[in-house]
Amino acid sequence: QVQLQESGPGLVKPSQTLSLTCTVSGGSLSSGTYYWSWIRHHPGKGLEWIGYIYYSGSTSYNPSLKSRVTISADTSKNQFSLKLSSVTAADAAVYYCARYDYSGNSFFDYWGQGTLVTVSS
Amino acid sequence: QSVLTQPPSASGTPGQRVTISCSGSSSNIGTNYVSWYQQLPGTAPKLLLYGNNQRPSGVPDRFSGSKSGTSASLAISGLRSEDEADYYCAAWDDSLSSVVFGGGTKLTVL
Repeated sequence: QVQLQESGPGLVKPSQTLSLTCTVSGGSLSSGTYYWSWIRHHPGKGLEWIGYIYYSGSTSYNPSLKSRVTISADTSKNQFSLKLSSVTAADAAVYYCARYDYSGNSFFDYWGQGTLVTVSS
Repeated sequence: QSVLTQPPSASGTPGQRVTISCSGSSSNIGTNYVSWYQQLPGTAPKLLLYGNNQRPSGVPDRFSGSKSGTSASLAISGLRSEDEADYYCAAWDDSLSSVVFGGGTKLTVL
């Protein structure tokens, strides 16, 4: 059973960089047709895809966030990370990491429990 | 404003059948597969349907999906109190080169 777990600061100051890490267990970051993703959920709003990374290092980002987002992976630790720069109050949300199966049907099959990030000075 | 459009709310009584719609365009639902997610209060989203109408192992056959043109639907039959949750649709969008989600539908079991 694949499990994902987000970790990182729950409080970030405005204009600073949000950094989160997702640790994958029960499966390898390097296996199969999976893209390792970050998704966020603003309170009272819908889900927003942030981007994903393939184990080879190739990435794809939401165009609306692309200028501020970097997703990287460390296959030796079976972890992938999110960095979102120049955060504002609009970036406060619950952040999820998830596995995206792109083998044909395209769907998120495993999700982390989510971590709440607050933006405040 | 979400790229995929869902009704903000839906409701039904136990045992009823309810449907939730998800409207998109030719660049997303019209061309790519739709997946659906259930988010119970205080928990992470859970995959409910993929490939428009495929159920992962463990998802009851009370949940079914369909797609026609640029719209998709989730149907829940034999509604139960534990189905009360938020439901989201998603698809890849070729024009945006992004995964896009619906705004979510809050299902209330009366």
